[in-house]
Amino acid sequence: GDSVTQMEGPVTLSEEAFLTINCTYTATGYPSLFWYVQYPGEGLQLLLKATKADDKGSNKGFEATYRKETTSFHLEKGSVQVSDSAVYFCALSDLTGTYKYIFGTGTRLKVLA
Amino acid sequence: NAGVTQTPKFQVLKTGQSMTLQCAQDMNHNSMYWYRQDPGMGLRLIYYSASEGTTDKGEVPNGYNVSRLNKREFSLRLESAAPSQTSVYFCASNMGHRSNTGELFFGEGSRLTVL
Repeated sequence: GDSVTQMEGPVTLSEEAFLTINCTYTATGYPSLFWYVQYPGEGLQLLLKATKADDKGSNKGFEATYRKETTSFHLEKGSVQVSDSAVYFCALSDLTGTYKYIFGTGTRLKVLA
Repeated sequence: NAGVTQTPKFQVLKTGQSMTLQCAQDMNHNSMYWYRQDPGMGLRLIYYSASEGTTDKGEVPNGYNVSRLNKREFSLRLESAAPSQTSVYFCASNMGHRSNTGELFFGEGSRLTVL
């Protein structure tokens, strides 16, 4: 079945460092890909998305490119801030009619001042 | 703009007790979902409702029941709680149409502890 694999955390960075969180997927069709962020004590919220190959999603300085050839959707940010400390989830959506979403296990990011 | 509202936010149960988690959305969404979040396991789908009047099992349905009361509300019931059901539960919703590639909207979560 479809699945999402993302890098183990936690990831600890200094403020202004470059961030990469790896995400790879397996899917039988052509899913949409998402990054969600969960701040402490809150629910998940959409960070960015890409709906087809080579699309780049971006928001709040974060970017991810849908790479069909490598089945990847890595999250990047050029300069992280303390306020970016959160758990990040990679996800794909199943568009075969069941509307189910499959999430990775989440990567905790801690940014130190 | 309330979005997705879950109640209660916290609950402690004893093994064997029952309870219902309530969820309501005010975005006129067709599809609603219940997930549980456990450390190291991400989010796992318990049940979902693609549209009003339908419900289907997700990845981990055992020990749970759901009711799609109307288009707005989707409740999750634990009939006989077990310590393995200690978790954080999230309700989510979206438009759910086949052409939809949009986001899931989440509630703030309900933290359940079963002793």
